Amino acid sequence: AQSVTQPDIHITVSEGASLELRCNYSYGATPYLFWYVQSPGQGLQLLLKYFSGDTLVQGIKGFEAEFKRSQSSFNLRKPSVHWSDAAEYFCAVGLFSGGYNKLIFGAGTRLAVHP
Amino acid sequence: GAVVSQHPSWVICKSGTSVKIECRSLDFQATTMFWYRQFPKQSLMLMATSNEGSKATYEQGVEKDKFLINHASLTLSTLTVTSAHPEDSSFYICSAAGLVAGEQFFGPGTRLTVL
Repeated sequence: AQSVTQPDIHITVSEGASLELRCNYSYGATPYLFWYVQSPGQGLQLLLKYFSGDTLVQGIKGFEAEFKRSQSSFNLRKPSVHWSDAAEYFCAVGLFSGGYNKLIFGAGTRLAVHP
Repeated sequence: GAVVSQHPSWVICKSGTSVKIECRSLDFQATTMFWYRQFPKQSLMLMATSNEGSKATYEQGVEKDKFLINHASLTLSTLTVTSAHPEDSSFYICSAAGLVAGEQFFGPGTRLTVL
């Protein structure tokens, strides 16, 4: 069965430090992969996506992610975290089924940023 | 572009009553809309998928008669929670697809509390 695993439920980093959020997926074919951010009171915002091509994907707000097929991973990175990055981050796999793309979400990683 | 709204943003109702939640794509035509449920500090679980003018497709374990979905137009889908009970209290999020291939745009969510 298709699934997404985010091993880290909660991560705390200092402002200015680098960040890596882990995501592993289980899917038989080449997946569509997404990272979303959810801030309190706001909807999910797409940070970046991978459909095909270059395995290093650049997103908004200085985030990037790398698709590694051999490791079934799509980890999210940022070189220098800002206090405003504190939020919940979700990795998702898009599964094409019945003519549309269903999204399967990971459990999420809550990021806290220390000043 | 790609704005999705939900109304209401929060609702409190008595047990046994029905509640309707609207999801609108404001600046594009959504061929498909999705409804998710999110429990506190948990991930999004897909409840159902709806296409304009056809019956919704429900995920396994989701009660069709309790969660009625109507997709009357290319910009509006509604979720009606019938005979609501306290265990239906949750955060309900919709998304819309049709603007960018493979991508969904999310509404801000509706917090339902059933007393």
